[in-house]
Amino acid sequence: QVQLQQSGPGLVKPSQTLSLSCAISGDSVSSQSAAWNWIRQSPSGGLEWLGRTFYRSKWYIDYAVSVKSRITINPDTSRNQFSLQLNSVTPEDTAVYYCVGEGYVSGTYVLAAWGRGTTVTVPS
Amino acid sequence: QSALTQPRSVSGSPGQSVTISCAGTSSDVGAYNWVSWYQQHPGKAPKVIIYDVNKRPSGVPDRFSGSKSGNTASLTISGLQGEDEADYYCFSYADSYVVRYTFEFGGGTKLTVL
Repeated sequence: QVQLQQSGPGLVKPSQTLSLSCAISGDSVSSQSAAWNWIRQSPSGGLEWLGRTFYRSKWYIDYAVSVKSRITINPDTSRNQFSLQLNSVTPEDTAVYYCVGEGYVSGTYVLAAWGRGTTVTVPS
Repeated sequence: QSALTQPRSVSGSPGQSVTISCAGTSSDVGAYNWVSWYQQHPGKAPKVIIYDVNKRPSGVPDRFSGSKSGNTASLTISGLQGEDEADYYCFSYADSYVVRYTFEFGGGTKLTVL
């Protein structure tokens, strides 16, 4: 059973870069049947998809339009993990960040394996 | 403002049924059967309860069912139980004019079991 272990700082200063990692156990970041997402939840409760990466004979990485100019998602095959970097953060980036795996339920684009979440605060 | 529109709250008594709607457009909910629903209890990560509009993952009670009509998907919970009190979110694949594709969440619905 796949498990996702998140790591990274909980406090990031305005204008700096938010960096989180998600270590995968029970599967491979290079799996040809899985995909790996970053999703965040604002203090008001709303969920927002940020981006995903997956391997299908080559790497694919896709980003949400809302953060496309500031985000980088990278797979790391040597450590079997994937990472999130969000540049130039503001207090509006304060949220709980989740790493989430797809491919563990037979359907399409199903967010089936969630990390525990990392609360990231950007002070004003 | 979320791309998919859900009621902010619904309520029902134990044993009753409730339905939560998720209104989208012809570019997301209406175009694809890739709608899933997630249940989130306080302090916990969301958990998938419906995928591909109307399929249930193993272990999810058959009290939970999903459907779609036009641009609106719906989640119905029958035989309400106290443990069903939670937040519910819909999620859909969507076309995009800016990137290859995108994904959208509904704003979430708080279910209160009276």
